[in-house]
Amino acid sequence: DADVTQTPRNRITKTGKRIMLECSQTKGHDRMYWYRQDPGLGLRLIYYSFDVKDINKGEISDGYSVSRQAQAKFSLSLESAIPNQTALYFCATSDSTYQPQHFGDGTRLSIL
Amino acid sequence: ELKVEQNPLFLSMQEGKNYTIYCNYSTTSDRLYWYRQDPGKSLESLFVLLSNGAVKQEGRLMASLDTKARLSTLHITAAVHDLSATYFCAVRTTSGTYKYIFGTGTRLKVLA
Repeated sequence: DADVTQTPRNRITKTGKRIMLECSQTKGHDRMYWYRQDPGLGLRLIYYSFDVKDINKGEISDGYSVSRQAQAKFSLSLESAIPNQTALYFCATSDSTYQPQHFGDGTRLSIL
Repeated sequence: ELKVEQNPLFLSMQEGKNYTIYCNYSTTSDRLYWYRQDPGKSLESLFVLLSNGAVKQEGRLMASLDTKARLSTLHITAAVHDLSATYFCAVRTTSGTYKYIFGTGTRLKVLA
């Protein structure tokens, strides 16, 4: 089984719908992150959490919210999806800021 | 504003040749990461560079960090087809609030 699991892997939905992307990890890491990847723009940080009670905005948090339900679970929500949120979304974990991040397989989200 | 620039953005090279990918960043950092992404896949950590002058090597890839020049390089020696992927550098800033910024990526294609 993967250390960092994202669900769903693919999702197509309509503008205005509420969407939740889920991430769970078995690595025991305290730090979890959500990124989006767009062609030609690399990865951009949406939200991050250094422990269950710590949630922080990244560089592109507008239109998104997160929930850290447990050390192992970190969910990303789009309250009212819009087409420019179509992207590949990655969850990642790390056990410190010195160590590299470990990424899930990604969720490909299309908003029509 | 922290910016991370990679060049080239796209690189097509013959097997057996050498080449270097450059990663420039705009603010103080002593933590630089290199990741690899295969098409349609997740990101995999390659190197973590934590100090000025750090050099890491794995197989045909060698990464180095010059914090004074704010430059990291990823050198490819005698390229093989299996190295075809997109390579990202990422920088963790040491000033101000937490920022973990990815470069736009270098798409490498090694031709047999």
